[in-house]
Amino acid sequence: EPEVTQTPSHQVTQMGQEVILRCVPISNHLYFYWYRQILGQKVEFLVSFYNNEISEKSEIFDDQFSVERPDGSNFTLKIRSTKLEDSAMYFCASSGQFEAFFGQGTRLTVV
Amino acid sequence: AQSVTQLGSHVSVSEGALVLLRCNYSSSVPPYLFWYVQYPNQGLQLLLKYTSAATLVKGINGFEAEFKKSETSFHLTKPSAHMSDAAEYFCAVSSLMDTGRRALTFGSGTRLQVQP
Repeated sequence: EPEVTQTPSHQVTQMGQEVILRCVPISNHLYFYWYRQILGQKVEFLVSFYNNEISEKSEIFDDQFSVERPDGSNFTLKIRSTKLEDSAMYFCASSGQFEAFFGQGTRLTVV
Repeated sequence: AQSVTQLGSHVSVSEGALVLLRCNYSSSVPPYLFWYVQYPNQGLQLLLKYTSAATLVKGINGFEAEFKKSETSFHLTKPSAHMSDAAEYFCAVSSLMDTGRRALTFGSGTRLQVQP
């Protein structure tokens, strides 16, 4: 069964460093998303991507964040200068017509 | 704007008892509604979806949910709880009519405990 895959599963980084989280969406999906979940809190939308551009973003998705689809399969989230409060589980998702399918997440810890 | 309210951050039931997890939504356009389950240290797995077809939708693992427009609700039920149902459950709403606003808005989640 097709699935969304995310790498790495865990990432520890020092405050101020750049991180890139990687995702391979389901191959025939057209919509791609990043969400995050701070420990013990609800899942929050960051950004959606359609037709090679950002289609929607939340107020969380500020200038520190960027997304790319560098080739036909990968979808990345870059955080330029990480802060302690960026520590969270980051989920990639992709969707076709209706439901979104989520990856297993990348746990980012900023120290 | 869209929002989801899940009543009850923790629900505890006995094995074999009815499971009822409540979800109310707010949406300015016809909503599409979803329930996701999250097991510890795992991603989100889709349980079921409502996409304007039948109002009673059946999902995986014996769960079902009923869309009630008059009550703006989409409660999740299962007739008989199993120990393996213990997890966090998230209700989510989306508008799929606008390519720019397909993102999911999640509720705060309900942690289901199943007692032996």
